[in-house]
Amino acid sequence: QKEVEQDPGPLSVPEGAIVSLNCTYSNSAFQYFMWYRQYSRKGPELLMYTYSSGNKEDGRFTAQVDKSSKYISLFIRDSQPSDSATYLCAMSSGLGANNLFFGTGTRLTVIP
Amino acid sequence: GAVVSQHPSWVICKSGTSVKIECRSLDFQATTMFWYRQFPKQSLMLMATSNEGSKATYEQGVEKDKFLINHASLTLSTLTVTSAHPEDSSFYICSASPLAGALSPADTQYFGPGTRLTVL
Repeated sequence: QKEVEQDPGPLSVPEGAIVSLNCTYSNSAFQYFMWYRQYSRKGPELLMYTYSSGNKEDGRFTAQVDKSSKYISLFIRDSQPSDSATYLCAMSSGLGANNLFFGTGTRLTVIP
Repeated sequence: GAVVSQHPSWVICKSGTSVKIECRSLDFQATTMFWYRQFPKQSLMLMATSNEGSKATYEQGVEKDKFLINHASLTLSTLTVTSAHPEDSSFYICSASPLAGALSPADTQYFGPGTRLTVL
């Protein structure tokens, strides 16, 4: 079983739609939950992160963590064509990169 | 924000040749740099961690003699793929960590734009 599972998609939505991206994990030691956005042929950039359980909102983006279900989500409201990218979840038990586990990424296309 | 560059962004080479990829932190000093590999539709997989002036630490299953890492300064790390073969074709991404004691994932590492390697 992989440490982090993420549906690779692809996911296509019309502009303005609400997008829900999800990951599940198996390691209960994970404390940090990150979402990265990766445009084509570019490196990932950190979009949001949460520590432990709960929600975090940043503009049109909301990250949710449910540790009891080992399930995290990223919601994008009023999606825009510029949101078209691959979204990777990542998790770790600490802040070092050597225990950072990535999902496969979900490719999102927002159609104008 | 902190910027990390990689060079080249795209390289094609013949099987059996060696390829060097550079990773630079442009506006900060990186105590630690990381090298990842990303195959199509797969996760980023950490290959190795390098600290300036010391030998790199390789993840299990990564051949240290094939993937040579040199972290000669606080702003430059290089990855050399020796005797490259078609199965080494992948997207190689580096990241750099500016602080020894990060307080959040936002401080932990900044990713470069990646290098696409194609071995014919």
